[in-house]
Amino acid sequence: QVQLVQSGAEVKKPGASVKVSCKASGYTFTSYDINWVRQATGQGLEWMGWMNPNSGDTDYVQKFQGRITITRNTSIRTAYMELSSLRSEDTAVYYCARPGFGSGWFDYWGQGTLVTVSS
Amino acid sequence: EVVLTQSPATLSLSPGERATLSCRASQSVGSYLAWYQQKPGQTPRLLIHDASNRATGIPARFSGSGSGTDFTLTISSLEPEDFAVYSCQQRSIWPPSFGQGTKLEIK
Repeated sequence: QVQLVQSGAEVKKPGASVKVSCKASGYTFTSYDINWVRQATGQGLEWMGWMNPNSGDTDYVQKFQGRITITRNTSIRTAYMELSSLRSEDTAVYYCARPGFGSGWFDYWGQGTLVTVSS
Repeated sequence: EVVLTQSPATLSLSPGERATLSCRASQSVGSYLAWYQQKPGQTPRLLIHDASNRATGIPARFSGSGSGTDFTLTISSLEPEDFAVYSCQQRSIWPPSFGQGTKLEIK
């Protein structure tokens, strides 16, 4: 079955960077986009960016431009989201998500990675 | 960017009652709207896509309606497991965006 397994929780200081991984299994990794969505405690979901694992093409929300980089390693079926210049407002659970077959909607989600930014 | 405004922020109902949740878009998104359910400590679960289509395995008590800027998620008769946070999402206009969520709590 389709699984997206993310890396573990991180604690970072303001100004640092964090890199979260999302390992895919149960399907052909290069056939479906990977999206990154975050959720601060008690807040709504926030879409951050997207990658086509086949081509490596990416697109990011303006809000994160210059701070976010989404990459992949196709040989190990893993996508990465790196966020730099962290601030306290970046404290959130970060999810990778994938659409279903023939769908643009997020049918599959990673378990989430809590990133805490604190001095 | 399309802003999705959900109302109410919190809805208090009892099992067996009917729930009606609203999602309003700042501009037309056609039928490119979905609803997700999220329980504490869990990942979002796709309930409804393209405004009115139930996702695989979703019970018939969940239904979606609307188009353009006004959308509704209806749960016909609440079961204990339905108390959760519900979020809408649009993908008609880039970037995709989510509403802030409606918390459905037990009265």
